[in-house]
Amino acid sequence: DAGVIQSPRHEVTEMGQEVTLRCKPISGHNSLFWYRQTMMRGLELLIYFNNNVPIDDSGMPEDRFSAKMPNASFSTLKIQPSEPRDSAVYFCASSLVLTYNEQFFGPGTRLTVL
Amino acid sequence: GQQLNQSPQSMFIQEGEDVSMNCTSSSIFNTWLWYKQDPGEGPVLLIALYKAGELTSNGRLTAQFGITRKDSFLNISASIPSDVGIYFCAGLIIQGAQKLVFGQGTRLTINP
Repeated sequence: DAGVIQSPRHEVTEMGQEVTLRCKPISGHNSLFWYRQTMMRGLELLIYFNNNVPIDDSGMPEDRFSAKMPNASFSTLKIQPSEPRDSAVYFCASSLVLTYNEQFFGPGTRLTVL
Repeated sequence: GQQLNQSPQSMFIQEGEDVSMNCTSSSIFNTWLWYKQDPGEGPVLLIALYKAGELTSNGRLTAQFGITRKDSFLNISASIPSDVGIYFCAGLIIQGAQKLVFGQGTRLTINP
């Protein structure tokens, strides 16, 4: 049974470029979460969706960040324009219902902005 | 905002030793979660605690939800090499929407 799938696993880009991170949640899961992990700030929740609808985006750092979930099996996190301080590991997680204790995390995308 | 103080930041122990780590906060939480993260992977849930005073075990792992609801600890007994990794606590606050706050992590290194 496939877990949460994220792509790409690694992304290196130059400052100012647009970055799109992708996530495929576990089939049948209704909630999807995007997290960012850095040494300085640890693991931070950016945004979460329930039934494809954004519920809380208060963790999104600024307007350069946007997330969409066009259907139950796909979500994107976009950064435009990217900056070096956006370098981090970005995790996607999904759960069957909107509950944190049953979240399954993907392997993450390591983003480096030069 | 809500913050979790997790300690210690790192631990270097011998195989077979017991491990203890904890998280404290000035805020009250409704749920405490403990995760383990291996290199290159996402966090994996180890234990979830839902009631103040609750003590829960999962194999060699034991965690407790503090009576004040402001702290939690995780113990690992008889450590083995595969216990190596980073352990995170997370507290869930329900104030309208749910908000999950993570500790900074405890990096566990085991000498065989």
